[in-house]
Amino acid sequence: DTEVTQTPKHLVMGMTNKKSLKCEQHMGHRAMYWYKQKAKKPPELMFVYSYEKLSINESVPSRFSPECPNSSLLNLHLHALQPEDSALYLCASSLYAGTSYNEQFFGPGTRLTVL
Amino acid sequence: SQQGEEDPQALSIQEGENATMNCSYKTSINNLQWYRQNSGRGLVHLILIRSNEREKHSGRLRVTLDTSKKSSSLLITASRAADTASYFCATDVDNAGNMLTFGGGTRLMVKP
Repeated sequence: DTEVTQTPKHLVMGMTNKKSLKCEQHMGHRAMYWYKQKAKKPPELMFVYSYEKLSINESVPSRFSPECPNSSLLNLHLHALQPEDSALYLCASSLYAGTSYNEQFFGPGTRLTVL
Repeated sequence: SQQGEEDPQALSIQEGENATMNCSYKTSINNLQWYRQNSGRGLVHLILIRSNEREKHSGRLRVTLDTSKKSSSLLITASRAADTASYFCATDVDNAGNMLTFGGGTRLMVKP
């Protein structure tokens, strides 16, 4: 299994809702990532998990809360989002973090719309 | 923050022609990677070139790296309509592990 899966594919939520995005990989990768991508812009790193521990938080607002329950799963909990948070949220994994020669494998993304 | 800048922002060519995209970056790197993204989908890794390498090939792809000029280029030869996508360079900033910073991307359209 060489893919990263993400659910749901699309999500529409109101500003008062609580929802979660899910990411899964079964490649034995020990590093997992969340990126945010606005239309016609490059992906921007949000969080990095290494060996199930949060290692990088790129000054992301607390309304985004990541969670790594085990080495195969990565969640992103959403609460009290703003319309400007509407974007494509991409999950990725790589064999390790902290080394410089690993390609990242990306999931197809969750298209999030905040009303 | 965006480390790399890509040039051109958009490129339209005919099938069979070659496509060249350029990427410039600002700080020292350990490696530079190129990714492809089809519209609204996830990114696919194309090729990684290390800072001590100057050129690398993979099928119809040729990547060069000039660390003295802090620039890289991606050449796609004999392009196909299926190559239509956005192409991003990504740099692994020195000593920052696997934290990738992406360039602005080049939107490539290959007309049949």
